[in-house]
Amino acid sequence: AQRVTQPEKLLSVFKGAPVELKCNYSYSGSPELFWYVQYSRQRLQLLLRHISRESIKGFTADLNKGETSFHLKKPFAQEEDSAMYYCALSSILTGGGNKLTFGTGTQLKVEL
Amino acid sequence: DVKVTQSSRYLVKRTGEKVFLECVQDMDHENMFWYRQDPGLGLRLIYFSYDVKMKEKGDIPEGYSVSREKKERFSLILESASTNQTSMYLCASSPDRRRDAGELFFGEGSRLTVL
Repeated sequence: AQRVTQPEKLLSVFKGAPVELKCNYSYSGSPELFWYVQYSRQRLQLLLRHISRESIKGFTADLNKGETSFHLKKPFAQEEDSAMYYCALSSILTGGGNKLTFGTGTQLKVEL
Repeated sequence: DVKVTQSSRYLVKRTGEKVFLECVQDMDHENMFWYRQDPGLGLRLIYFSYDVKMKEKGDIPEGYSVSREKKERFSLILESASTNQTSMYLCASSPDRRRDAGELFFGEGSRLTVL
């Protein structure tokens, strides 16, 4: 069965400092991983996916299959990055469709 | 813009009551999901559906049931609400296109309090 682990419930950094939100996974198949973000009083939304290899709002995440990790990184934190971040693993269903398994989330707080 | 609408933002119910949470999406998505969101536990999948009249149990289906009579609507039912079902409930949908697998569109959530 798939599992996603986010070891930190809360991460507090100063503005301008680097950010790394940790995510580890276990999955027997070929993983597809995502980061979702929920800003205060907004709905949960997709931030980025590993297959796109893109940078969104300055965030990047690299899939490391050897370490089974998908850490989210940003070189310089901004105040508007304060939010709840969830790592998620997608699995394809035999009957069709897909489902996401989420981690427990990390609250990022960027202090001035 | 994909819109997932949950009919009730806040509900207060009593133990033993039957509760309906409604969710509608307007993008013709095949897949729909119900999660509950609890502090320290993250999002946990209750039920999902990848076609009309199809439903599959998620990770925590006990105490819940669902209905999907139309493609755009996915309802979550608590047959007899209990206090441990006090939570934020999130509905989501996704297209069944392989390249978009894993991109979920969420509703704003329904905060249920069971007294």
